[in-house]
Amino acid sequence: EVQLVESGGGSVQPGGSLRLSCAASGFTFTNHWMHWVRQPPGRGLVWVSHVNNDGSDTTYADSVKGRFTISRDNAKNTVYLQMNSLRVEDTGVYYCGRDSALALDLWGQGTLVTVSS
Amino acid sequence: QSALTQPPSASGSPGQSVTISCTGTSSDVGGYNYVSWYQQHPGKAPKLLLYEVSKRPSGVPDRFSGSKSGNTASLTVSGLQAEDEADYYCNSYAGSTSRVFGGGTKLTVL
Repeated sequence: EVQLVESGGGSVQPGGSLRLSCAASGFTFTNHWMHWVRQPPGRGLVWVSHVNNDGSDTTYADSVKGRFTISRDNAKNTVYLQMNSLRVEDTGVYYCGRDSALALDLWGQGTLVTVSS
Repeated sequence: QSALTQPPSASGSPGQSVTISCTGTSSDVGGYNYVSWYQQHPGKAPKLLLYEVSKRPSGVPDRFSGSKSGNTASLTVSGLQAEDEADYYCNSYAGSTSRVFGGGTKLTVL
């Protein structure tokens, strides 16, 4: 089955860290760029980060630049998001998405990150 | 990286057509033909409806169509059905591999 499965969400205090994972299956992982997108509670989608096929090129939204790091392990068909110096405003559901023709054609079910003291 | 502008809400009766706009700048919507649209039902992950402005992935009904003029893209839902009630988001490539989403539009089927 073609799918993306996120994990690693949870509750953390401001200033803390979390590492999200997104496991891909059912397709050739190395053929696709990958993205992370977040959705604050009750609000809209926000693009967070992208990584290219081999992990050599990454891009970040200004709001997370310098705090978040995206990476991928093509041997494990997994993309990661290391989140450091977390803030309350980072709270939300984090989705990973597969890029095809510069659109996200496959999404995971999401993992909830809560940053609160 | 400012969000694209969408109307917060839209509505229509079953069988009618509704158009949702998505306004950006020449650095995103106006600069590239890489606008995509997503449908999200409550508690669910987003689903791709259109890519490259007007192309439909396999399985998406032809009731969903897209267009672009200048810095504004549009999604039209024809023959509204109850199951079309959802949130809709536009997204655009914004150069240097970055992307930007619209704020979202809640579509109500009356």
